[in-house]
Amino acid sequence: DSGVTQTPKHLITATGQRVTLRCSPRSGDLSVYWYQQSLDQGLQFLIHYYNGEERAKGNILERFSAQQFPDLHSELNLSSLELGDSALYFCASSPLTGGEQYFGPGTRLTVT
Amino acid sequence: SQQGEEDPQALSIQEGENATMNCSYKTSINNLQWYRQNSGRGLVHLILIRSNEREKHSGRLRVTLDTSKKSSSLLITASRAADTASYFCATQPFNTGGGNKLTFGTGTQLKVEL
Repeated sequence: DSGVTQTPKHLITATGQRVTLRCSPRSGDLSVYWYQQSLDQGLQFLIHYYNGEERAKGNILERFSAQQFPDLHSELNLSSLELGDSALYFCASSPLTGGEQYFGPGTRLTVT
Repeated sequence: SQQGEEDPQALSIQEGENATMNCSYKTSINNLQWYRQNSGRGLVHLILIRSNEREKHSGRLRVTLDTSKKSSSLLITASRAADTASYFCATQPFNTGGGNKLTFGTGTQLKVEL
């Protein structure tokens, strides 16, 4: 158990809908990262927040947005969902902005 | 896009044998990390090697890094059935502007048979 929690574990929704994925980092970690894992794209970095501020952005679609709250938990919002958004979404955390990352168990999103 | 390619894509060995997987990457890095993923679950950090290091050990794991060739290898000695998983290399670049973006390779699926 990494200490990173993600909810929900599974999510099934229809195209065009909006969902919110939630992540709680390890106690004391200030950085939160979001990744998408799909069969065709592999593991892709989406976004990094440090202590509430966006620090790095990857291949994140405009339909996706994220934020980190004062209590350091983070949410990833996915809107206007398409079939291709079906994937595993992982959150990870780290104490600062470098080094190893601790991954949560993931949220499996299925868009039908 | 993926930073690195891993080789082989899949590897099947007998318990007790050694497993070697390789990773190549494209840009300058601050460090390279290896992660393990059991089927559809979260990734587990295994080892981190900095760009100024050439070799690192952790238990049954040995990692090498050749920055001139932009490549790394992970050796798992005396493999066990519990080592069956996918293994990913991930690179952290320099000059991230305060951000930390790990770029993952394509992964090697390791199967250790009894």
